[in-house]
Amino acid sequence: GAGVSQTPSNKVTEKGKYVELRCDPISGHTALYWYRQSLGQGPEFLIYFQGTGAADDSGLPNDRFFAVRPEGSVSTLKIQRTERGDSAMYLCASSRAGQRSEQYFGPGTRLTVT
Amino acid sequence: GENVEQHPSTLSVQEGDSAVIKCTYSDSASNYFPWYKQELGKRPQLIIDIRSNVGEKKDQQIAVTLNKTAKHFSLHITETQPEDSAVYFCAARLNDNQGGKLIFGQGTELSVKP
Repeated sequence: GAGVSQTPSNKVTEKGKYVELRCDPISGHTALYWYRQSLGQGPEFLIYFQGTGAADDSGLPNDRFFAVRPEGSVSTLKIQRTERGDSAMYLCASSRAGQRSEQYFGPGTRLTVT
Repeated sequence: GENVEQHPSTLSVQEGDSAVIKCTYSDSASNYFPWYKQELGKRPQLIIDIRSNVGEKKDQQIAVTLNKTAKHFSLHITETQPEDSAVYFCAARLNDNQGGKLIFGQGTELSVKP
């Protein structure tokens, strides 16, 4: 079946602008995760949804970052007043709930803030 | 919170040799440990995982071992091939029942020389 998809694959924006990054999870996966990966580093957790609600948003760096998942499927990560330090690869992952809950990653969105 | 340390950061081996990557974690409540392979410009791909109720798991040329007492886990790749060259990440997760965030190590860049 189809894997996790993310759009856009690349996004270049100017400092101070607003951006939205989209994630389409694997069909039937109730859990959805956002991670951020800087060059040469491992993915860093941002936020986790179980269904429509954010079960853990402890990784969001500040209040410029916000994510939604209104219907329990597609999720959007929103970044306000972007800064150059926000430049990174933003990865989305999804998993089924329960014991067999491996996380499968999407291809990511490469965000560059100029 | 959980912290995962991964060593070495780079590893170079000859084709056919074995490669070992080691990780330690800090939170004894962690009970799920996946390993991901990430090729340049690609998404992280789950290659093997282990849960805390077993000490070793094998899948063809790869194996993972877990020592819960010492809070260590390791990835073993035997008979390496050039296509095994990639960055490998270990991770740990606290709550297996409903899913939860992964805490990643810093990554190991494996180079397999023909």
